[in-house]
Amino acid sequence: DVKVTQSSRYLVKRTGEKVFLECVQDMDHENMFWYRQDPGLGLRLIYFSYDVKMKEKGDIPEGYSVSREKKERFSLILESASTNQTSMYLCASSSPSGAANEKLFFGSGTQLSVL
Amino acid sequence: QQQVKQSPQSLIVQKGGISIINCAYENTAFDYFPWYQQFPGKGPALLIAIRPDVSEKKEGRFTISFNKSAKQFSLHIMDSQPGDSATYFCAASMSKGYQKVTFGIGTKLQVIP
Repeated sequence: DVKVTQSSRYLVKRTGEKVFLECVQDMDHENMFWYRQDPGLGLRLIYFSYDVKMKEKGDIPEGYSVSREKKERFSLILESASTNQTSMYLCASSSPSGAANEKLFFGSGTQLSVL
Repeated sequence: QQQVKQSPQSLIVQKGGISIINCAYENTAFDYFPWYQQFPGKGPALLIAIRPDVSEKKEGRFTISFNKSAKQFSLHIMDSQPGDSATYFCAASMSKGYQKVTFGIGTKLQVIP
């Protein structure tokens, strides 16, 4: 089974801190995604990457950046954390080829609290 | 602008009943419509999906009905069980391009005994 691992389940940070959220997948997937999940707003795409060192903005990229130096790892960076970035962050991966080429595999999420 | 509109936000159904969640989309370029199921403390997982060349797809107790002309699709859970209690997300994507998936706001389903 595909495994998408997010480094932290819970994270508490202070306003203004630089925050790194890490995600690793073990199925050699080309595509990786970062979503945030908020009650009443569903899942909103922050950034995605379709190849190493490639990135594309999603629907809500402001205040975030990403890094993909290796195929299996996709990092989300909050340059200067703010309280409105308190949320559940979900990483996902998919492969553009094969029968299940549109299936997203999600990690368990990181609940980030910014105080 | 919400490209995939989902309702209701919450739903309570008695055990054995039918749960129905509805979604509507705007972009006619969408050609893949999955439903994801999320249990507390877990990430969403693909439950069932449909393409617009069919009007219905059934997998066990779960059925997607699709109406292309109305740009609407729905999830029906027959004989709902307490173990079905979860949050359900409808979604839509395009096969071409980067397969970016757009989600609805989610429906929290509670099945009571």
